[in-house]
Amino acid sequence: DAGITQSPRYKITETGRQVTLMCHQTWSHSYMFWYRQDLGHGLRLIYYSAAADITDKGEVPDGYVVSRSKTENFPLTLESATRSQTSVYFCASSEFFMGQMNTEAFFGQGTRLTVV
Amino acid sequence: AQKITQTQPGMFVQEKEAVTLDCTYDTSDQSYGLFWYKQPSSGEMIFLIYQGSYDEQNATEGRYSLNFQKARKSANLVISASQLGDSAMYFCAMRLGRAQKLVFGQGTRLTINP
Repeated sequence: DAGITQSPRYKITETGRQVTLMCHQTWSHSYMFWYRQDLGHGLRLIYYSAAADITDKGEVPDGYVVSRSKTENFPLTLESATRSQTSVYFCASSEFFMGQMNTEAFFGQGTRLTVV
Repeated sequence: AQKITQTQPGMFVQEKEAVTLDCTYDTSDQSYGLFWYKQPSSGEMIFLIYQGSYDEQNATEGRYSLNFQKARKSANLVISASQLGDSAMYFCAMRLGRAQKLVFGQGTRLTINP
């Protein structure tokens, strides 16, 4: 099915463990993004990627690692999970056309992560 | 700097009334795009409307319109004839031409009362 999918949808992990959230898109969009959503903060950008092997930090990158070896995948890893990383994580993708700004981002369903 | 500010944490409106959700932005770039998304209680993010920095006319999509005031750096969303199904979180977002990253505001929770 075409679209953008995140897995798992729900995850409970312990403090200090490494956890990886997966994101896969079937459109071959150039751009991919990871956000976390917390009450009172809206969506905050963690990392984004302009293409395979090109990633850049967003507003809140500390404690997270990303990679993009293939255009369609953009996994997010919490190297040593902390309780403050309990959140809902959204992955998004967007096409890019030089000089055009009107390409909206398409979002996955979100992953609810709880760190205990 | 690239920043979006939504100053209304929550709004309550009677059904069928029009509602304006505020959004101000901060950037020194000349080329940027502004987006509004809706997030219902089910959690998905739904794209509503887009306004480009060089667009001379305000964007409209059905009952949604964007009141774009470039000099004031505001991009308010106007929903006409509100419906119960409009109850949701609404997010304003900005994309810069250079970096292409998409940054969101804190959101406004809109509740439509019957």
